[in-house]
Amino acid sequence: QSALTQPASVSGSPGQSITISCTGTSSDIGVYNYVSWYQQHPGKAPKFILYDVSNRPSGVSNRFSGSKSGNTASLTISGLQAEDEADYYCLSYTTSSTLVFGGGTKLTVL
Amino acid sequence: QVQLVESGGGVVQPGRSLRLSCAASGFIFSRYVMHWVRQAPGKGLEWVAVISYDGSDKYHADSVKGRFTISRDNSKNTLYLRMNTLRAEDTAVYYCARDFEEHSHGKGFRHWGQGTLVTVSS
Repeated sequence: QSALTQPASVSGSPGQSITISCTGTSSDIGVYNYVSWYQQHPGKAPKFILYDVSNRPSGVSNRFSGSKSGNTASLTISGLQAEDEADYYCLSYTTSSTLVFGGGTKLTVL
Repeated sequence: QVQLVESGGGVVQPGRSLRLSCAASGFIFSRYVMHWVRQAPGKGLEWVAVISYDGSDKYHADSVKGRFTISRDNSKNTLYLRMNTLRAEDTAVYYCARDFEEHSHGKGFRHWGQGTLVTVSS
């Protein structure tokens, strides 16, 4: 159960778009569309921002979008805003009926 | 509204045991798969365990397998995590989380508790 691989950090300026990758294996991301994404601000519980790779729960901004190709899922945030600065995590279901998180990515808005 | 309230955290010596609870309200508890997730200080999220809606199926992360046990009491709308043989590396905030849809397993966690801190130290 190795963690999914995410870049440790990404950055962008207000108004720009950024993409965070999440790489797994043929035992998780590669075989299931059960990939979800979370935003976490310091000291807070994570917030659910995408599920089933690209679906947004109600109330989540359409600036957040997701995709998947092979063993890699991606989160794109468009029109960056200062409040987007946070840690982001991906999560996938696995063939062992367990789940696995990515290591997390710190987004800095310059 | 959906509420998940964890309790039972605290400071415990290495090798000892602790049981966490998560009281659920605002939804039909017996229809949802439930999870425990933890986060060590300054570290990322780690999935810990899952239990099916009726308690018949349970899965645990390799890091806790054989030491931790997830369980639930649907008559009390409560989720539990029994943690035995605790180690310093188990120090973390422990969150309970509800799977996204009724009977879904692995679609993600829209609802989280506020977390309870477990510190394993002598």
